[in-house]
Amino acid sequence: DAGVTQSPTHLIKTRGQQVTLRCSPKSGHDTVSWYQQALGQGPQFIFQYYEEEERQRGNFPDRFSGHQFPNYSSELNVNALLLGDSALYLCASSLVSSETQYFGPGTRLLVL
Amino acid sequence: AQRVTQPEKLLSVFKGAPVELKCNYSYSGSPELFWYVQYSRQRLQLLLRHISRESIKGFTADLNKGETSFHLKKPFAQEEDSAMYYCALSAGGTSYGKLTFGQGTILTVHP
Repeated sequence: DAGVTQSPTHLIKTRGQQVTLRCSPKSGHDTVSWYQQALGQGPQFIFQYYEEEERQRGNFPDRFSGHQFPNYSSELNVNALLLGDSALYLCASSLVSSETQYFGPGTRLLVL
Repeated sequence: AQRVTQPEKLLSVFKGAPVELKCNYSYSGSPELFWYVQYSRQRLQLLLRHISRESIKGFTADLNKGETSFHLKKPFAQEEDSAMYYCALSAGGTSYGKLTFGQGTILTVHP
């Protein structure tokens, strides 16, 4: 089991563009959470998906949206990119019944 | 809203010395607390959670509800303990599954 995988590893976009990040959960996990980690900061919760629905949401604008597919994989979409969206985006998977989350390696997004 | 504070961004100790990484939280309910660790060029991974009350790699952490703290301790630090450590909180209830992280502490263990 490769654990949680994320793609791409790095991404460069310009302001105003849209981006899609992808995540495959650890085998057997049904819940996916997304976090944004700015340089020098701890991860900040964006949202969590379970049964293809957004279950929890952090303090992020509607420009941030997501999706979960029947195979439990997930996408994070960010519209109208701002310079401040430059960060490491982490995906974490878990079982809905557990608080223990397993993290992926992250996607580093740079917005120019 | 819940908040996690790790007052030390950097912590340096010598091999064999005791180490304590501080974590304070603010939350009015009964939280679940975690310590996550990130070694160089590796992904973030769970080190321990207070509910399991186990010792991982010689580290322990006790939840002190009176002082709202969850400090991470190890009696004899090893060079391989050098890493970034994050304290995290889950409020449970309607916030089940949402982790709130501190800013992290970089631990360096010198030979």
